[in-house]
Amino acid sequence: GNSVTQMEGPVTLSEEAFLTINCTYTATGYPSLFWYVQYPGEGLQLLLKATKADDKGSNKGFEATYRKETTSFHLEKGSVQVSDSAVYFCALRTNYGQNFVFGPGTRLSVLP
Amino acid sequence: EAGVAQSPRYKIIEKRQSVAFWCNPISGHATLYWYQQILGQGPKLLIQFQNNGVVDDSQLPKDRFSAERLKGVDSTLKIQPAKLEDSAVYLCASSYIGVKYGNTIYFGEGSWLTVV
Repeated sequence: GNSVTQMEGPVTLSEEAFLTINCTYTATGYPSLFWYVQYPGEGLQLLLKATKADDKGSNKGFEATYRKETTSFHLEKGSVQVSDSAVYFCALRTNYGQNFVFGPGTRLSVLP
Repeated sequence: EAGVAQSPRYKIIEKRQSVAFWCNPISGHATLYWYQQILGQGPKLLIQFQNNGVVDDSQLPKDRFSAERLKGVDSTLKIQPAKLEDSAVYLCASSYIGVKYGNTIYFGEGSWLTVV
């Protein structure tokens, strides 16, 4: 079946540090890949997405590249801010069935 | 445009009681989802509607959970009777149908349920 694996958290960084959150997936067919972010007390918000191999999604300084050969979609940011503290979810969606499958989430804490 | 609306935001009930959550999707979105998010875990799909028909309810505990989407717009998720393990955030989401609209789904802020 389809599944998403993320690096375990929590991840704690100092402000302006480099961020990487690893995400790998297993899927039949050619899924679209997503990163969603959840701030405390809020619902999930789309951060970025990529719909085919080698696509790069980017938003608010975050980037992730769809790597079909390694079935990965790692999230990166060059300089994190305190306001980036949240839980980050990697997800995939296959066109067949159109269901989303989410990873378990990675909690990021950024210290001033 | 207005986002996905959910209510109530917070609910505390005793076990064996019942509760209902309401969702109004983004206008024009034919597909509506209910997810359950237990603390520390990713969202898990409970049920997916396309217009007013059920596409996937394979993970819905049908002995206690029910959902409907009358007229293909608003939806209600009911739990009766509630168990302690039902304590979670219930997320409603919606999306367009069709590849040309992309594959993005949009989430509401969630309904936080505590069963005591």
